[in-house]
Amino acid sequence: AQKVTQAQTEISVVEKEDVTLDCVYETRDTTYYLFWYKQPPSGELVFLIRRNSFDEQNEISGRYSWNFQKSTSSFNFTITASQVVDSAVYFCALSEAYNFNKFYFGSGTKLNVKP
Amino acid sequence: DAGVIQSPRHEVTEMGQEVTLRCKPISGHDYLFWYRQTMMRGLELLIYFNNNVPIDDSGMPEDRFSAKMPNASFSTLKIQPSEPRDSAVYFCASSLPGGPRNEQFFGPGTRLTVL
Repeated sequence: AQKVTQAQTEISVVEKEDVTLDCVYETRDTTYYLFWYKQPPSGELVFLIRRNSFDEQNEISGRYSWNFQKSTSSFNFTITASQVVDSAVYFCALSEAYNFNKFYFGSGTKLNVKP
Repeated sequence: DAGVIQSPRHEVTEMGQEVTLRCKPISGHDYLFWYRQTMMRGLELLIYFNNNVPIDDSGMPEDRFSAKMPNASFSTLKIQPSEPRDSAVYFCASSLPGGPRNEQFFGPGTRLTVL
């Protein structure tokens, strides 16, 4: 079974629209970490955020915000007032207590922001 | 400060040839990871090292794949003999000691094409 599910394969928005990327995870551990990475067209993966399972406080960083809800096993990512430079593939990942170094990545969501 | 360095960035080879991918982790990072990214399977962890010692190689697809880390600043991933289905982008990543709080920093990747 998939540990991390990103059901949205591709999303297209027009610049300045808000967009939410969904991430649903599955784990039996009570201690785990969740991550978001961005992969722009250039190909490298860029770390965006890490959240541990004991911290459900939502986080905002500029135009980016993250909503962590343990009750629904979701860790969604919202971009406010999207820009063309936000166009990329975004990956959600999970690591679990028994092996924190092993990241399980979702299949990614490709975001297209059109001018 | 230099990030993770990978070489070559692109490799085109013919089926049956040996391929060697190289990685230099960020100085001071004692974890090193090799991933493979394909459209069909997404991002897969192949193997990771801690202090130059392979810890988990359960993701290595078959005996044709081997990885080494002779010292803290260099690792190789070798495919011998290569097959067309090995065509993918191979990423190297590294992280600091200290366990789960530390995100993985990714290199730019090597795009491998096996004809």
